[in-house]
Amino acid sequence: GAGVSQSPSNKVTEKGKDVELRCDPISGHTALYWYRQSLGQGLEFLIYFQGNSAPDKSGLPSDRFSAERTGGSVSTLTIQRTQQEDSAVYLCASSSDNNYGYTFGSGTRLTVV
Amino acid sequence: QKEVEQNSGPLSVPEGAIASLNCTYSDRGSQSFFWYRQYSGKSPELIMSIYSNGDKEDGRFTAQLNKASQYVSLLIRDSQPSDSATYLCAVKNTGRRALTFGSGTRLQVQP
Repeated sequence: GAGVSQSPSNKVTEKGKDVELRCDPISGHTALYWYRQSLGQGLEFLIYFQGNSAPDKSGLPSDRFSAERTGGSVSTLTIQRTQQEDSAVYLCASSSDNNYGYTFGSGTRLTVV
Repeated sequence: QKEVEQNSGPLSVPEGAIASLNCTYSDRGSQSFFWYRQYSGKSPELIMSIYSNGDKEDGRFTAQLNKASQYVSLLIRDSQPSDSATYLCAVKNTGRRALTFGSGTRLQVQP
């Protein structure tokens, strides 16, 4: 696609429920990144994919967080048993192999109530 | 010590002035540096990248890099109210593909 697409744009969920966030990167971009941004804070790195593999998942805050990428394209970030502290904007970005500058999607605003 | 540090601001400048945004980083081996602009409620957008010591100009924007001092800055000439946003500094650290972001500096350009 022309840009990085994320869905849903907003998600309100009850504490303890599981949620799935989706990212569709720019066509041909092999690198895909997930970050989260809490209100008024900077970007916190979660995980990086190169193709379908995740060479750097050091930012995942707990084992409740997991992510996968299939077909070298769409990625899904799953948060199990959501907690209120998971509330944030989850941002996905992609880049081509030889360019480290990212293009971000518009994000998913997750609210855990 | 944070890996990438920025003054949170707000930095307030009058319209038409030069805005100077600063960033320091801790990884001496870092090679790639980026400035992103983030409007309130929006996602970050890339405005400048710089890889070598010195200045790089693009329109009203100039990025400056000093690797010896581990310092990168962004100058915005002829600041406009539409430049009011949070500016995020990002660094590619050694051995790591993902960028590390600073917490951003909020810029307010007063009409």
